[in-house]
Amino acid sequence: DAGITQSPRHKVTETGTPVTLRCHQTENHRYMYWYRQDPGHGLRLIHYSYGVKDTDKGEVSDGYSVSRSKTEDFLLTLESATSSQTSVYFCAISRTGNEAFFGQGTRLTVV
Amino acid sequence: KQEVTQIPAALSVPEGENLVLNCSFTDSAIYNLQWFRQDPGKGLTSLLLIQSSQREQTSGRLNASLDKSSGRSTLYIAASQPGDSATYLCAVLSTDTGNQFYFGTGTSLTVIP
Repeated sequence: DAGITQSPRHKVTETGTPVTLRCHQTENHRYMYWYRQDPGHGLRLIHYSYGVKDTDKGEVSDGYSVSRSKTEDFLLTLESATSSQTSVYFCAISRTGNEAFFGQGTRLTVV
Repeated sequence: KQEVTQIPAALSVPEGENLVLNCSFTDSAIYNLQWFRQDPGKGLTSLLLIQSSQREQTSGRLNASLDKSSGRSTLYIAASQPGDSATYLCAVLSTDTGNQFYFGTGTSLTVIP
């Protein structure tokens, strides 16, 4: 794996609670991404970052926020989790923005 | 918006067979196309990256081709092995959306010993 660690790997949470997922990289890559993977939809981009404190929305950003205070860490926060946010979340990194390398994923269940 | 389609959704072949996986995309204005492998419960492993100016890339038994004008890419796997069983995903990086990769839903490959 390309020096990417996602934590936690599994989480079960209740509807309405806040949840933060962490992505940590050791590659010093500029770009970091959060995707979600759902059956029938493939992977869809939630948010991405192109540098410290520089972030932008992807196609499914509603209900999610991100922060990147250090090059190595990219946090994804669900402010108030809903059942529709039950999914597998993947972090990816890229040095130039042209090729992506993925973490092992976080399986989130909202009950 | 770029749409990426992979057909078939599932494929089962006997060991040793050569096979082709297909990926099509609706907008030919792309920077590159990347093929990934995903094992059950795991992350995505990058297999091959084809830049928009390239026609193909090879790595071992894998060969990926790109025809931008027709919006198609194929992943050729030679002499398939049971260890090749996985889901194969393609992703395109479109020029109009900067850093957003668009993914297909994948082809689930089973190689039967």
